[in-house]
Amino acid sequence: NAGVTQTPKFQVLKTGQSMTLQCAQDMNHEYMSWYRQDPGMGLRLIHYSVGAGITDQGEVPNGYNVSRSTTEDFPLRLLSAAPSQTSVYFCASKRTEYNEQFFGPGTRLTVL
Amino acid sequence: KNEVEQSPQNLTAQEGEFITINCSYSVGISALHWLQQHPGGGIVSLFMLSSGKKKHGRLIATINIQEKHSSLHITASHPRDSAVYICAALYNNNDMRFGAGTRLTVKP
Repeated sequence: NAGVTQTPKFQVLKTGQSMTLQCAQDMNHEYMSWYRQDPGMGLRLIHYSVGAGITDQGEVPNGYNVSRSTTEDFPLRLLSAAPSQTSVYFCASKRTEYNEQFFGPGTRLTVL
Repeated sequence: KNEVEQSPQNLTAQEGEFITINCSYSVGISALHWLQQHPGGGIVSLFMLSSGKKKHGRLIATINIQEKHSSLHITASHPRDSAVYICAALYNNNDMRFGAGTRLTVKP
């Protein structure tokens, strides 16, 4: 199993550009989530999904959209990037009934 | 939801020392998660516990529900233990709040 994969690993955007961060898992996990990690702060939940077709907002959802058309994939979209979205983004997944989360390797995003 | 507090923020130890990292939370939770973030950035799960104590190799995690406190101990520390250790409080199956992390450096 590849586990949780994320692409790209690094990305530089200009303010106002849009992009999609990709996340995929091959463990048939129902629950998937996106976090951002900023210096001096803990990971913060952006959006999560408990299954295909179901998404919900986390602690810091503004400026981000998600969709879950398949169990495997959970892309995160930035419609109009802002410098405040400069961060490291982690995708994670788990089985709903078990609480241990498996994390992807992260995407480092810089918005100029 | 209340914050998750970790201490210390940074910790430097000599190889072989016993390490303790503390985590406190201010409301009831369903479980407490300890994670390790490697210098390269990858995050791995160490423990998930809701009561008592768990041990894996040289790592021990304890939780005291009444005191809303958890500790992560590392016995006989080694330079390869150098990493950021993160605790996360699971409030329900979908809401997890993270501490800011403890940066551990173990010197040979």
